Amino acid sequence: ELKVEQNPLFLSMQEGKNYTIYCNYSTTSDRLYWYRQDPGKSLESLFVLLSNGAVKQEGRLMASLDTKARLSTLHITAAVHDLSATYFCAVDNSGGSNYKLTFGKGTLLTVNP
Amino acid sequence: EAQVTQNPRYLITVTGKKLTVTCSQNMNHEYMSWYRQDPGLGLRQIYYSMNVEVTDKGDVPEGYKVSRKEKRNFPLILESPSPNQTSLYFCASSLQGANEKLFFGSGTQLSVL
Repeated sequence: ELKVEQNPLFLSMQEGKNYTIYCNYSTTSDRLYWYRQDPGKSLESLFVLLSNGAVKQEGRLMASLDTKARLSTLHITAAVHDLSATYFCAVDNSGGSNYKLTFGKGTLLTVNP
Repeated sequence: EAQVTQNPRYLITVTGKKLTVTCSQNMNHEYMSWYRQDPGLGLRQIYYSMNVEVTDKGDVPEGYKVSRKEKRNFPLILESPSPNQTSLYFCASSLQGANEKLFFGSGTQLSVL
């Protein structure tokens, strides 16, 4: 059974600081996704990582994937309040057919002034 | 506007009373999927559909049914709801699979008394 673990589950940080959210998974997969959910809202796709060594950046967020270590990171640079949200990683659980996803439990990020 | 529309947004029902949550997308997407979100558990996939008349189980399909008679619609059916199906439900779609950007509906909060 595929397990997807995010760390930390709760993160409170100050504006301007840097931090990293980690996503570990338990079986072989080379496809990993990051989503953002604002309080009371739906999910928004952030990054699609489809191969070992993939790196994607948008604004203050950068995601990377190391399939050998079964690890993805979401790095936050110079955090701002608008980044406060819950971040989920999800891993392809379908042996590459791209139909089944297993999500982590999410990281609740709070950025304080 | 490209969107995934779920209805209703909120639903309170009683145990055993059949209900349907509708999901419709206007982007001509082939892939559609249902998830439930519970506190502390993240999102779990219920069912997915690769195309019209093609559906398969996700990780938590028990107690749910789906159908895909038309490309744009993917309703979630609870034949005999139970209190443990109280949850926040999301429908999502993408062009061909989960390895592409997923578009999520705004969610349906279901309470089964």
